[in-house]
Amino acid sequence: QQQVKQSPQSLIVQKGGIPIINCAYENTAFDYFPWYQQFPGKGPALLIAIRPDVSEKKEGRFTISFNKSAKQFSLHIMDSQPGDSATYFCAASDHTDKLIFGTGTRLQVFP
Amino acid sequence: KAGVTQTPRYLIKTRGQQVTLSCSPISGHRSVSWYQQTPGQGLQFLFEYFSETQRNKGNFPGRFSGRQFSNSRSEMNVSTLELGDSALYLCASSQDRDYEQYFGPGTRLTVT
Repeated sequence: QQQVKQSPQSLIVQKGGIPIINCAYENTAFDYFPWYQQFPGKGPALLIAIRPDVSEKKEGRFTISFNKSAKQFSLHIMDSQPGDSATYFCAASDHTDKLIFGTGTRLQVFP
Repeated sequence: KAGVTQTPRYLIKTRGQQVTLSCSPISGHRSVSWYQQTPGQGLQFLFEYFSETQRNKGNFPGRFSGRQFSNSRSEMNVSTLELGDSALYLCASSQDRDYEQYFGPGTRLTVT
């Protein structure tokens, strides 16, 4: 019940495409859902986060869609660029600082 | 503001030894969490400290311990190192619960 399931494991898109990464959870106590971006040799960087009281949040080219009834949330990257090539992690937590991470999605954006 | 800093960045130890890793949070952040990242298990929560007290703990053996100082800096210690402890150890800081967590660059520990 503590798991966060993330898919796909890897994703290849062309520049300008809109990659979509999906996550699903079981624990209804989760109330905070961040996305992190990690480049090789670096720590995860917070991209965008959402709470269950909204169904969508946009920050720049990154959008989170949240479906509370389905217990699913997803990350969309608009107008993807080669510099977006990285590993993306979804996560969830429940009023604590304990983040439960998904398994990660390796995104490659080709010119 | 300076980000989360971790020292050392790289470490090589031998099985059976112990190691101490250090983390300095973002100025003003009082919560420090530690995570282990491996290719096989992904990102796993180790523990969280707030105001010098361990507030939450993950499912790791007692060989993994930590502490936090009055200036919010934190250290984690791993005793009797095993080969499986080779990983990237990440520290994250936040103002408190329900606030964003920001990660440091990590310490890459290799156990031989």
